[in-house]
Amino acid sequence: DMKVTQMPRYLIKRMGENVLLECGQDMSHETMYWYRQDPGLGLQLIYISYDVDSNSEGDIPKGYRVSRKKREHFSLILDSAKTNQTSVYFCASSRDISAETLYFGSGTRLTVL
Amino acid sequence: GDQVEQSPSALSLHEGTGSALRCNFTTTMRAVQWFQQNSRGSLINLFYLASGTKENGRLKSTFNSKESYSTLHIRDAQLEDSGTYFCAAAYNRIFFGDGTQLVVKP
Repeated sequence: DMKVTQMPRYLIKRMGENVLLECGQDMSHETMYWYRQDPGLGLQLIYISYDVDSNSEGDIPKGYRVSRKKREHFSLILDSAKTNQTSVYFCASSRDISAETLYFGSGTRLTVL
Repeated sequence: GDQVEQSPSALSLHEGTGSALRCNFTTTMRAVQWFQQNSRGSLINLFYLASGTKENGRLKSTFNSKESYSTLHIRDAQLEDSGTYFCAAAYNRIFFGDGTQLVVKP
């Protein structure tokens, strides 16, 4: 069963706290992505991971970092969260960087108070 | 995004009618993917096309790489078709359109 799993589904944090969003996939995909989506807007790319320990900034990486120690897991970390990082975060994966079919997780709705 | 222009930004349909959504590209894309974001916020894969036309039920999508556009046709719209539709096109990376908000009314 091809699946991208995100945890948690909802998260509320206070400004200045650290946040860890986790993503897993069971398809042995090389490439994984983190996006954020704000109300009424499209998807903005935060980071791309080409494989284990091979990560690259996307369009809006400031305030975020990522970790990929295993192919099936890709984490998004917010060190000292800010209120403007309140958003819905989506993880996605694709077979490799040249394979255009994206598979998305169900999203994490993060609220930073 | 700048590389992908999606239109219309919003669309209202009555049940049983149909329409077309369109994405224009500013450069030659290798492939396009269409998603529906439903009321729960989940992004559902509809189509992936490297060329030509695909059909699935009441949905049909076409990708014309040479003329730099893709369309998504919806016929006999149902209430559950409501949501936001995104196209995503691949060049050296994946570029998303800003989406079309579709509301299907009884």
